Amino acid sequence: QQQVKQSPQSLIVQKGGISIINCAYENTAFDYFPWYQQFPGKGPALLIAIRPDVSEKKEGRFTISFNKSAKQFSLHIMDSQPGDSATYFCAAVYSSASKIIFGSGTRLSIRP
Amino acid sequence: GAGVSQSPRYKVAKRGQDVALRCDPISGHVSLFWYQQALGQGPEFLTYFQNEAQLDKSGLPSDRFFAERPEGSVSTLKIQRTQQEDSAVYLCASSPGATGGRYNSPLHFGNGTRLTVT
Repeated sequence: QQQVKQSPQSLIVQKGGISIINCAYENTAFDYFPWYQQFPGKGPALLIAIRPDVSEKKEGRFTISFNKSAKQFSLHIMDSQPGDSATYFCAAVYSSASKIIFGSGTRLSIRP
Repeated sequence: GAGVSQSPRYKVAKRGQDVALRCDPISGHVSLFWYQQALGQGPEFLTYFQNEAQLDKSGLPSDRFFAERPEGSVSTLKIQRTQQEDSAVYLCASSPGATGGRYNSPLHFGNGTRLTVT
C-alpha cells in the first residue's frame, strides 16, 4: 500500500510558468512533510519542508501548500526555469520514528 | 566538508554473488539510513542506525540483506546471494540528530551505488 501518493508522474512546463506537484497521505502519524529534488546520477537533496501546523511555506520560488483536513500537500514552483528540470519527491516523516516515506516522484521538464 | 560518500559508484554482480556496499557519512552525524531506489521510483526505506545501534530494519526485504555500523560511523550494506530483483540504486543518508529527516535534522544523501545483477 502506497502511503504517500504523488501526481503527476511527469510534467512539462514552459519556462516562466508555474509547476504544480500534488501529494496525498493517509496516516495521521506523519507530522513533517519535506520535498526532495533529485538530478540524474545524484542523491535526493532537501528542497523545502513544512509542518502540519501551518498551511503554507514559501522559500524563494518554491511554495508548499498544506491542507491538513484533506491530508494533501503540494509544491508550487513559480517562474520555472530550465535548471529546475529534475525529479521531485514529496515525503512524509513519522512523529514517532526516524523513517521517511517517499512518494513515487514527478519528473519535471522545463521547456526553454 | 565532504558530503556523504558511497562506494563503489557502480557494481555489477552475477546472480548468486555476495556484494558489500559502503557508506561514509558526514563526520559526527548520529543517524544513518539506507534506502533502495528502483528505476523510476522513489526511495524505499531499508534500515536506520542511531550511532552503532540498528534501531529499525523493518524495510530490509529479506534475510539476504544485512547492514552494520560497528563504530557508529562507516556503514556497510551486504547483500548475499544476489538476485535480479536486487538491481537498484542503494542510497545512504546521514543526519546530525537522533531524529533523522525532521526539521532540525535534515537528511544528507550520497549519490548512491547502482547495483546491477546479471
